[in-house]
Amino acid sequence: ILNVEQSPQSLHVQEGDSTNFTCSFPSSNFYALHWYRWETAKSPEALFVMTLNGDEKKKGRISATLNTKEGYSYLYIKGSQPEDSATYLCASPIISSGSARQLTFGSGTQLTVLP
Amino acid sequence: DAGVTQSPTHLIKTRGQHVTLRCSPISGHKSVSWYQQVLGQGPQFIFQYYEKEERGRGNFPDRFSARQFPNYSSELNVNALLLGDSALYLCASSLPQGRNSPLHFGNGTRLTVT
Repeated sequence: ILNVEQSPQSLHVQEGDSTNFTCSFPSSNFYALHWYRWETAKSPEALFVMTLNGDEKKKGRISATLNTKEGYSYLYIKGSQPEDSATYLCASPIISSGSARQLTFGSGTQLTVLP
Repeated sequence: DAGVTQSPTHLIKTRGQHVTLRCSPISGHKSVSWYQQVLGQGPQFIFQYYEKEERGRGNFPDRFSARQFPNYSSELNVNALLLGDSALYLCASSLPQGRNSPLHFGNGTRLTVT
C-alpha cells in the first residue's frame, strides 16, 4: 500500500444497524492514523488519532481499531442513527515529510443512515 | 473558544485572476496547514506553516503560495487561476507538538473558477 485507501466508497444502512469501514495505509514507518467525520456544510471533525499497534479507541457508539503491522484500521458504528450520516475520512502523515501535521487522506466513506 | 475561521466562504473568479484566502487558527495553535479538496476525493495537502516558516509543501505548482503572520493567521495565494483550481480549500490548525494532536479544520472556502 503506497497511499491511504478507504472502503467502501459509500454505504447505506438502516437506522439501528451496526456498520464498519476500512482504512488501509502504508505500514512501513508508521507514525499515526487519524479518523475524521465530515458532515455536509460543516468542517471535518477529529474522531480519533491512533498511534499504537492494537490500539482501540471509543467515542460513544463509534470505535476504531488499529493494526500497524498489516496497515489497516477499522471504524465501527454501533446502532447507527441518522445523525451519523457523514463522510468518514482516515489520514496518515506523509512519510517523506517528517511532520505529523502533513496528512495524506483517503477518499472517504460516505455513510447514509436511513430512518 | 472560537474555532478555525476562514474567509471568504465562497468566491468566484475568472481564469487568469489571482485569489487570496484567509485563515485564523484556534487561539494557541501555532501550526496552520492548507488542504485542497475536490469532489470525490479526500483533502490534499498544500502547505504547512509553523512559527511563520514553511514546514512543508505538497505537490502543487508555484502558482500556489502562502504565508503565516506573527499572530499565526495565514493566507493562501493562487496566481493565474485555472479551471482546475476550482475546489474547496480547507485550513487546519493544530498544536505544534504531540503525535496524538489532531487537525482542527475550518469550514473552508469554496473557490469557483470560470
